Amino acid sequence: QKEVEQDPGPLSVPEGAIVSLNCTYSNSAFQYFMWYRQYSRKGPELLMYTYSSGNKEDGRFTAQVDKSSKYISLFIRDSQPSDSATYLCACSSGGSYIPTFGRGTSLIVHP
Amino acid sequence: GAVVSQHPSRVICKSGTSVKIECRSLDFQATTMFWYRQFPKQSLMLMATSNEGSKATYEQGVEKDKFLINHASLTLSTLTVTSAHPEDSSFYICSARWSRGSTEAFFGQGTRLTVV
Repeated sequence: QKEVEQDPGPLSVPEGAIVSLNCTYSNSAFQYFMWYRQYSRKGPELLMYTYSSGNKEDGRFTAQVDKSSKYISLFIRDSQPSDSATYLCACSSGGSYIPTFGRGTSLIVHP
Repeated sequence: GAVVSQHPSRVICKSGTSVKIECRSLDFQATTMFWYRQFPKQSLMLMATSNEGSKATYEQGVEKDKFLINHASLTLSTLTVTSAHPEDSSFYICSARWSRGSTEAFFGQGTRLTVV
């Protein structure tokens, strides 16, 4: 079992929809959780970063962490075609701070 | 966010030659840099972690003699793929963070290496 599991998709939604992207993890030592957006043939861009359980909101993006079920989510409201990209979740522990990545979910927002 | 510049963005080389990829942190000092490899529709695979002034720590299965990493300054790390073979063709990405206790890492644009 991989430490961070993520459905690769693709996930196709109409413009304006609410998107829910999810990951599960197995390492209970993970305390830091990140979401990255990666456009085709580009490096990942940090979108959201949270510590421990709870919610964090930034504009149209909300990151949610449930440590009890080892489940992390990213919600995108009012999705736009420019949101079409691969979204990678990443987790790290307080010891190494080295992130472990999921394989990414491909999101397509069509007009 | 902080800016990490990776160069070149794309390179084609012949089998048996060596290729050097540069990763620079432009507006911060990077105490730690990471090198990843990414296959199509796959996750980022960590190859090695390098701290400024010390030898890189390679992940299991990564040949240190083939993938030479140098982190000579706080703003520059290089990855040299030596004696490249077609199976080394991949997307290589670096990332950098400003302190060992920082969880935020910033990525370069990636380098598409094609070995022919």
